[in-house]
Amino acid sequence: DTAVSQTPKYLVTQMGNDKSIKCEQNLGHDTMYWYKQDSKKFLKIMFSYNNKELIINETVPNRFSPKSPDKAHLNLHINSLELGDSAVYFCASSQAGYTDTQYFGPGTRLTVL
Amino acid sequence: TQLLEQSPQFLSIQEGENLTVYCNSSSVFSSLQWYRQEPGEGPVLLVTVVTGGEVKKLKRLTFQFGDARKDSSLHITAAQPGDTGLYLCADISNTGKLIFGQGTTLQVKP
Repeated sequence: DTAVSQTPKYLVTQMGNDKSIKCEQNLGHDTMYWYKQDSKKFLKIMFSYNNKELIINETVPNRFSPKSPDKAHLNLHINSLELGDSAVYFCASSQAGYTDTQYFGPGTRLTVL
Repeated sequence: TQLLEQSPQFLSIQEGENLTVYCNSSSVFSSLQWYRQEPGEGPVLLVTVVTGGEVKKLKRLTFQFGDARKDSSLHITAAQPGDTGLYLCADISNTGKLIFGQGTTLQVKP
């Protein structure tokens, strides 16, 4: 059974389009995260949600909007895609405790042309 | 803003060799974690260290946390091709926010 899953695995789109990436976890965790990994492999947190409530919101353009319909899902919607949005996006989840292990999904490689 | 610097950035060695990679922080770690990320996959947690001077072992991997809690090292004994991957250190804050270093890419050739 996949613990943290993301769809799609690959996403190729044109500048200016709007796209969504979905994330689901079946671990019963309370907290979910979105990270962005750039071409140099630098991994940076974007958002975190705890029980559907936004906890962390880094300095991310407001074109990025996370949505958590329930605590098992955290989707990422991106409006007006730009070339610089090309990256691998990882979803992760953990229990509520801050040192609890974060389990990462397999990533979504977004390419903006 | 805390900065984590990892060295070396790239390391290519033969199977059976030993290696050490380093992680240095511009400020004291809250708690330090090491992850390994294989190509096409997400990072996987290897270890969490909290106390200065702490040493943890995971099979052939030895993790050391500096006394001042501003640096850490990961030593691999008798590296195997399965150890190939991106090794990331991270500081984890009391909100669960992970701040990552830029990683060390390790290639172990058979």
